[in-house]
Amino acid sequence: QLTQSPSSLSASVGDRFTITCRASQGISSYLAWYQQKPGKAPKLLIYATSTLQSGVPSRFSGSGSGTDFTLTISSLQPEDFATYYCQQLNSSPYTFGQGTKLEIK
Amino acid sequence: QVQLQESGPGLVKPSETLSLTCTVSGDSINTYYWSWIRQPAGKGLEWIGRIYTSGSTNYNPSLKSRVTMSVDTSKNQFSLNLNSVTTADTAVYYCARGHVAEPHAFDIWGQGTMVTVSS
Repeated sequence: QLTQSPSSLSASVGDRFTITCRASQGISSYLAWYQQKPGKAPKLLIYATSTLQSGVPSRFSGSGSGTDFTLTISSLQPEDFATYYCQQLNSSPYTFGQGTKLEIK
Repeated sequence: QVQLQESGPGLVKPSETLSLTCTVSGDSINTYYWSWIRQPAGKGLEWIGRIYTSGSTNYNPSLKSRVTMSVDTSKNQFSLNLNSVTTADTAVYYCARGHVAEPHAFDIWGQGTMVTVSS
């Protein structure tokens, strides 16, 4: 099981934003992060905990190992307001966190 | 660029079988893992299962008894069958490609297709 916190957050453009994803058991570095905007498919941001997917801006970063992981956006841009999901890649079923909705303050 | 497109009925009756196809364009379907993921309205993502181009499959245990996936490399397509559906199966269904370096992270997604289970 993956638990994300917070479930929702309001922030402003330019803020630093961090989400936590906690796994109920160790998953090494097998974690991915996605961004989803309303009515759209999720977009892969990061895999293997910290590897940025091609084309993803460098303001996105990921860290962690074992059971605790974070996604950080160094300086929020207007297009970053969306819902974010973590996903464990360690073992089947490849479950997702419940999501964190980031809204504009 | 690679694109995925889901197709299939948008309305399925309870107890019947949900059948969807994903057509891959812009690249060969070979040598990748292909998955189905679903998302009920306003809720999170659920991985349904995956298939490799050899035909080997891995299903979510919560759905395993009802799911069948297949691949047709000649058509660059893969498919999902979910039988004995109930209203709980109403969701947007996505097909997705496994990343070449990390097959269970999904780097290319279809736009999604809404499937409603209702009589």
